[in-house]
Amino acid sequence: QKEVEQNSGPLSVPEGAIASLNCTYSDRGSQSFFWYRQYSGKSPELIMFIYSNGDKEDGRFTAQLNKASQYVSLLIRDSQPSDSATYLCAVKKVGGTSYGKLTFGQGTILTVHP
Amino acid sequence: DAGVIQSPRHEVTEMGQEVTLRCKPISGHDYLFWYRQTMMRGLELLIYFNNNVPIDDSGMPEDRFSAKMPNASFSTLKIQPSEPRDSAVYFCASSLTQGDTEAFFGQGTRLTVV
Repeated sequence: QKEVEQNSGPLSVPEGAIASLNCTYSDRGSQSFFWYRQYSGKSPELIMFIYSNGDKEDGRFTAQLNKASQYVSLLIRDSQPSDSATYLCAVKKVGGTSYGKLTFGQGTILTVHP
Repeated sequence: DAGVIQSPRHEVTEMGQEVTLRCKPISGHDYLFWYRQTMMRGLELLIYFNNNVPIDDSGMPEDRFSAKMPNASFSTLKIQPSEPRDSAVYFCASSLTQGDTEAFFGQGTRLTVV
C-alpha cells in the first residue's frame, strides 16, 4: 500500500463549479498535511497546510482533514481556468524516527473548462 | 533569498555516463529532500537530510544512485552509471524543522539519458 494515495484523474469541472480533490494516507502516526499545486513544466508550490481535524479555509480553498478515516481533501470553490494544474497531496511525519519525512501522492490532474 | 537553486536545469547524457545534480537549499533550512518525478510514478522521495545527515534513503532506487550533503549549503545527487530509465525531472526541496512549515522546491533538473 502506498503511503499517500490520490485519484490521478483527470478531473474536469466547468468554470465556477466546485472541484473536490481527495487523498488518503496509510500511516496513523503524527502528521501534518499539505496541498501543493504544480503547473505543467513548473515546480510544486504550496496552496495550504492542515494538521488538525476539521476544515481550514483560505480564500477559495478549503482543506478538510479526518484523521480517523485517514483522509484529506481539498475543495476549490468558483473554479477558474487558471486553477487547471496537478494537485499534490503531501504528508509530513512530525514524530518518530522519520521525523520530517515529506511524502507525496501521485497527484490529481484538474482541468477547469470555460 | 534566491530560493532553492538547482543545476543544471537540463542534462542530456549517454547511457553509462556519470551524472551529478546539484542543489543549494534556502539559507537556514535544516531539511533537504531529493525527489524524482515521472508521469508513471509521480513525485518520489529518494532521500532526505537533516542537518546534513541522511535520515532516510529508502527511496534510492539502487546502488547506482548516491547523495551527499557536505555542508548546510550544498548537496549532490549522483547517478553512476546512468541508464535510460533514469530519465526524469529531479527536484531538490528544503524546509525548516517545524511540522507546519512547507518545503520549497527548486526549479528541477530535467535529465535525459539516451
